[in-house]
Amino acid sequence: AQKVTQAQTEISVVEKEDVTLDCVYETRDTTYYLFWYKQPPSGELVFLIRRNSFDEQNEISGRYSWNFQKSTSSFNFTITASQVVDSAVYFCALSEMAGTYKYIFGTGTRLKVLA
Amino acid sequence: DTGVSQDPRHKITKRGQNVTFRCDPISEHNRLYWYRQTLGQGPEFLTYFQNEAQLEKSRLLSDRFSAERPKGSFSTLEIQRTEQGDSAMYLCASRGTGGSGEQYFGPGTRLTVT
Repeated sequence: AQKVTQAQTEISVVEKEDVTLDCVYETRDTTYYLFWYKQPPSGELVFLIRRNSFDEQNEISGRYSWNFQKSTSSFNFTITASQVVDSAVYFCALSEMAGTYKYIFGTGTRLKVLA
Repeated sequence: DTGVSQDPRHKITKRGQNVTFRCDPISEHNRLYWYRQTLGQGPEFLTYFQNEAQLEKSRLLSDRFSAERPKGSFSTLEIQRTEQGDSAMYLCASRGTGGSGEQYFGPGTRLTVT
């Protein structure tokens, strides 16, 4: 069965600190997608990144970076120099690479960035 | 390009009443998903449409729930004889036919059953 674990329920940091959000997944599929979404207080899930299982290159986009390691089944997300606007709930999700592509979400990590 | 829209944004109903939610996906997207999110949890998959065909339903979708997508465009989710346990955020997402797998989500409908 597929499963996504986000062990950190809530993290608080002071503005400008770096913060890493952990995501560990389980799947029997050899090919799959991994995603990160941001859910601000307004409630709408905002797509951040998609990673294919066969592409282990790390990615950087501005202050955001992602570290994908198949060996440890982890897909961690780092925010550098955090800002108050980064405060939100962040979800990691897993989907098969065929069929319905439905998502299996983790329980989310609430990030609070304090000014 | 407008995003996914959902209506209503909030619904308060009394236990036992029926409610219906609407989702309008991104216009060129033929795949549509419904998810349910309860407080402090991640969204959980409910059902999936490809065009007008409902191809998968979660066992979370009890007999009181029905979803339709009659012309392959907008979709409706109906809950009959609502229960307090149905209180949640109902999220709709759509996805195109391209190789990428990301879904784009609407703002959700928050249901409160009193």
